[in-house]
Amino acid sequence: EAQVTQNPRYLITVTGKKLTVTCSQNMNHEYMSWYRQDPGLGLRQIYYSMNVEVTDKGDVPEGYKVSRKEKRNFPLILESPSPNQTSLYFCASSLRPRQSNTEAFFGQGTRLTVV
Amino acid sequence: DAKTTQPNSMESNEEEPVHLPCNHSTISGTDYIHWYRQLPSQGPEYVIHGLTSNVNNRMASLAIAEDRKSSTLILHRATLRDAAVYYCILSPVGSSNTGKLIFGQGTTLQVKP
Repeated sequence: EAQVTQNPRYLITVTGKKLTVTCSQNMNHEYMSWYRQDPGLGLRQIYYSMNVEVTDKGDVPEGYKVSRKEKRNFPLILESPSPNQTSLYFCASSLRPRQSNTEAFFGQGTRLTVV
Repeated sequence: DAKTTQPNSMESNEEEPVHLPCNHSTISGTDYIHWYRQLPSQGPEYVIHGLTSNVNNRMASLAIAEDRKSSTLILHRATLRDAAVYYCILSPVGSSNTGKLIFGQGTTLQVKP
């Protein structure tokens, strides 16, 4: 089954404790990205990757890092989480990054709480 | 980035058709029109997309105005499972970040039994 898998689904952590949210897709997609969803602000892109070893900032990258060492994986790293990073996070992937007529697949989400 | 405007909320009765409108008056000639929906506690889900012609798939139909300044997502027979937030999104060809989806506030669809 084609899917994007995020882990963990829920996470409560303390300020400053490094964490990684994993994202994996099984569709051989080139393009992967991370979004955060906050009430009243909708979904906003954090980082994206056009292919292996090619990553770039989205609209709200501060406080986050990503890596793309393999095509299927795109982890989101919070080196020093802060309470303002409490949010619902979604990973997404799509086939061809330079085509706007392809559909994106989203993971189930990771609800992160930083206390 | 071209913007879209959608009603905040709509209601429908189960098994009746639903027409969800979207205005995009600043659309450019190469913008694709995408629709996604987000069911409660889930990630967004692709529904349909189109460029100029009307499109049909197993989930819905997309009617695009001749001037492309508006479009309508049509659910032919709403079910309770269709209750979700529906997003109308423009996706430009050739930008440096074409895969990026710009989500607005969407339309919250309520389906009554």
